[in-house]
Amino acid sequence: DTGVSQDPRHKITKRGQNVTFRCDPISEHNRLYWYRQTLGQGPEFLTYFQNEAQLEKSRLLSDRFSAERPKGSFSTLEIQRTEQGDSAMYLCASSTTDRVDTEAFFGQGTRLTVV
Amino acid sequence: EDQVTQSPEALRLQEGESSSLNCSYTVSGLRGLFWYRQDPGKGPEFLFTLYSAGEEKEKERLKATLTKKESFLHITAPKPEDSATYLCAVRTDSWGKLQFGAGTQVVVTP
Repeated sequence: DTGVSQDPRHKITKRGQNVTFRCDPISEHNRLYWYRQTLGQGPEFLTYFQNEAQLEKSRLLSDRFSAERPKGSFSTLEIQRTEQGDSAMYLCASSTTDRVDTEAFFGQGTRLTVV
Repeated sequence: EDQVTQSPEALRLQEGESSSLNCSYTVSGLRGLFWYRQDPGKGPEFLFTLYSAGEEKEKERLKATLTKKESFLHITAPKPEDSATYLCAVRTDSWGKLQFGAGTQVVVTP
């Protein structure tokens, strides 16, 4: 078990370009979350999957954002037509429904810089 | 609306100088209060989960406690490697979504 893996770790893109991030959760975890964190703030919830179903989306997730989790394994987060305000750390976390004490484990994040 | 507030925003300690961090919360139904540690440029690392008032958990120099309105993270005789941002989060639904505070940045100097 290598933990939650995110790729890439860093991404610099020009305003208006599309970007896609990948998250590989802990293998037995059926729940997957995306969060966004800006400097000096705690992570903010974006969206949640249980297996392949996307069950909740935050109002923070505008129409330019889309997330998928095909086959209930890895997940991707795509941002279309990036804006400077999208610059942030994008964090993925996973957890399991198999235990009562279901803490979420986070990946190392993808740092996005929009120039 | 649910709220999580952490204080202080930043804390500078001498090595060995014990202190406490505060996390106050206003939520409609608490299903767990979580403490995470975050190093610069890294993702949050899980520390503790607390579920009910009066509960306490310990790990090395860290001890977390919970009341009906707040949680404390006590750092006993800290070392420089305890320097990090400590994040508090609450869970209020059955799906595990977390609402975080802004964190307390702790710096421990030798």
